[in-house]
Amino acid sequence: AQKITQTQPGMFVQEKEAVTLDCTYDTSDQSYGLFWYKQPSSGEMIFLIYQGSYDEQNATEGRYSLNFQKARKSANLVISASQLGDSAMYFCAMRMDSNYQLIWGAGTKLIIKP
Amino acid sequence: ETGVTQTPRHLVMGMTNKKSLKCEQHLGHNAMYWYKQSAKKPLELMFVYSLEERVENNSVPSRFSPECPNSSHLFLHLHTLQPEDSALYLCASSQERGWGEQYFGPGTRLTVT
Repeated sequence: AQKITQTQPGMFVQEKEAVTLDCTYDTSDQSYGLFWYKQPSSGEMIFLIYQGSYDEQNATEGRYSLNFQKARKSANLVISASQLGDSAMYFCAMRMDSNYQLIWGAGTKLIIKP
Repeated sequence: ETGVTQTPRHLVMGMTNKKSLKCEQHLGHNAMYWYKQSAKKPLELMFVYSLEERVENNSVPSRFSPECPNSSHLFLHLHTLQPEDSALYLCASSQERGWGEQYFGPGTRLTVT
């Protein structure tokens, strides 16, 4: 069955440090996509980064990078030089290209300490 | 207005009330989605519309009734809800169904009393 697992319910990180948020997935599909979203306390989900299953390079967007290890079925989000504004819930999601649905993880609450 | 907007942002309703949630996207997208977000649970997809046609309905109770009059607007009509329906309801849109990232609205925080 398709599933996304985020094992860290919460994390505290010192400002300016790098942080890695874990995401593992389970699917038998060969073609899929992986997404990371940020949800501040205001409620809106903000798209951060995308990695396709056939992409050979790890995706990067500014301070965000995705550490994609296909054999391990992991897609960890790395935030470099964390800022206070990075405090939020972070969700990993997977889209199967066979049915286009997004499967979501339970999220990780990240708190950046000054 | 830009992006995806949702109204109202907060709603308190009794179990016998009828209310509607509204979503509007200003991105020219062809697909729109309703999600339910309950505390400590993954997002649950409720409905998907592609070019105003409902393409998926994930076993949602009939007390939730979606409407998509055009590709920019999406409604969720609510009637005789239960307290367990209290949640954050998020609307999203994407260029095409299942293609590209989804853009979300700020959500409607619904409390059923």
